[in-house]
Amino acid sequence: DAGVIQSPRHEVTEMGQEVTLRCKPISGHDYLFWYRQTMMRGLELLIYFNNNVPIDDSGMPEDRFSAKMPNASFSTLKIQPSEPRDSAVYFCASSLALAGLSYNEQFFGPGTRLTVL
Amino acid sequence: QKEVEQNSGPLSVPEGAIASLNCTYSDRVSQSFFWYRQYSGKSPELIMSIYSNGDKEDGRFTAQLNKASQYVSLLIRDSQPSDSATYLCAVRRNTGFQKLVFGTGTRLLVSP
Repeated sequence: DAGVIQSPRHEVTEMGQEVTLRCKPISGHDYLFWYRQTMMRGLELLIYFNNNVPIDDSGMPEDRFSAKMPNASFSTLKIQPSEPRDSAVYFCASSLALAGLSYNEQFFGPGTRLTVL
Repeated sequence: QKEVEQNSGPLSVPEGAIASLNCTYSDRVSQSFFWYRQYSGKSPELIMSIYSNGDKEDGRFTAQLNKASQYVSLLIRDSQPSDSATYLCAVRRNTGFQKLVFGTGTRLLVSP
């Protein structure tokens, strides 16, 4: 079975350019998460969706960042305009819906390594 | 104060030894605790979860939770070079929500 798919795997761009990261969650999963990982700040949750609806975007750093989930099998994270401090690895993860009070494992994609020059 | 704190390491142990990884958290209402392993250049993968005070064992891994001290740890027995990775501690604040807060991770090096 395919896991979470992300594209591109690597992206190098210049400051001021628009960057779009893409994610395909595991089929049947109800939750989708976007994370950013840097050495200094670790793994940070940016936003997550439940059934294509954004639930919590409090981690989105600023208005330059936006995320959409037009359907259950696709999500995008867009940065416009990009800045050097946006350089990081961006992970997408997905999970099943909750069963009672239990936690369902988040499965991570391979990540997109973004470098903004 | 960070919500989830870990020593960045590296923690170096010889093969066959016990590796002890520690994590503290600041929010007393935290309910659930997780350990993820991340190999260099790879994505995190869940290895242990713990919800109640005490110990939980799974093979060579033991997770320990002390809510009164706001402390969670991961013990790896009979450490192998293949255990060399960064271990991320994650905390879920409320039941019914999927949001996790991660620590910055502890790098573990197991030497042959």
